[in-house]
Amino acid sequence: KNEVEQSPQNLTAQEGEFITINCSYSVGISALHWLQQHPGGGIVSLFMLSSGKKKHGRLIATINIQEKHSSLHITASHPRDSAVYICAGLTQGGSEKLVFGKGTKLTVNP
Amino acid sequence: NAGVTQTPKFQVLKTGQSMTLQCAQDMNHEYMSWYRQDPGMGLRLIHYSVGAGITDQGEVPNGYNVSRSTTEDFPLRLLSAAPSQTSVYFCASSYSMLGTTIYFGEGSWLTVV
Repeated sequence: KNEVEQSPQNLTAQEGEFITINCSYSVGISALHWLQQHPGGGIVSLFMLSSGKKKHGRLIATINIQEKHSSLHITASHPRDSAVYICAGLTQGGSEKLVFGKGTKLTVNP
Repeated sequence: NAGVTQTPKFQVLKTGQSMTLQCAQDMNHEYMSWYRQDPGMGLRLIHYSVGAGITDQGEVPNGYNVSRSTTEDFPLRLLSAAPSQTSVYFCASSYSMLGTTIYFGEGSWLTVV
């Protein structure tokens, strides 16, 4: 069964701190998407990774194919980064489907 | 370019009623999908489509129907609403799943009483 596990479930940080959110996935996942869900419910795609590392502003996403692990880092965190971060694995082998982690709720305090 | 438009945003249904959640995209995306989001659980795939005329079931398809007569539209039909279908529903689209950005609708909050 394709599975995606995220940790931690909840994370509280002070403004300016370096944040790391982890995602482990099972065999059968060929790529990972990182998503951000705002308090109002809207979901925004941050990254899609199948190898290596990607950076956009203060956000960095890495993936280790051998260890089946991905991380999302936020540098110099800000209260506006407060959201739920979701990793989603793309299943391989025929049909393309996403399997979602349960999300990490990040709260950044000023 | 409106992205993914999902309607209605809020809906209350009585048990047994039917309704359709509408989803439209104007980006000429081939891949469209519907998810439900419940407290304590990740998003779960209901149905998806890889192009006009092609649909397939996801993880939780029971009680839902879809069709894809055009590239732009992918409606989700609740055949006979049940309280277990109370959830937040998201429609999403992408050119493909691998290597491209996924665009989500704003969500539809559905309550079945």
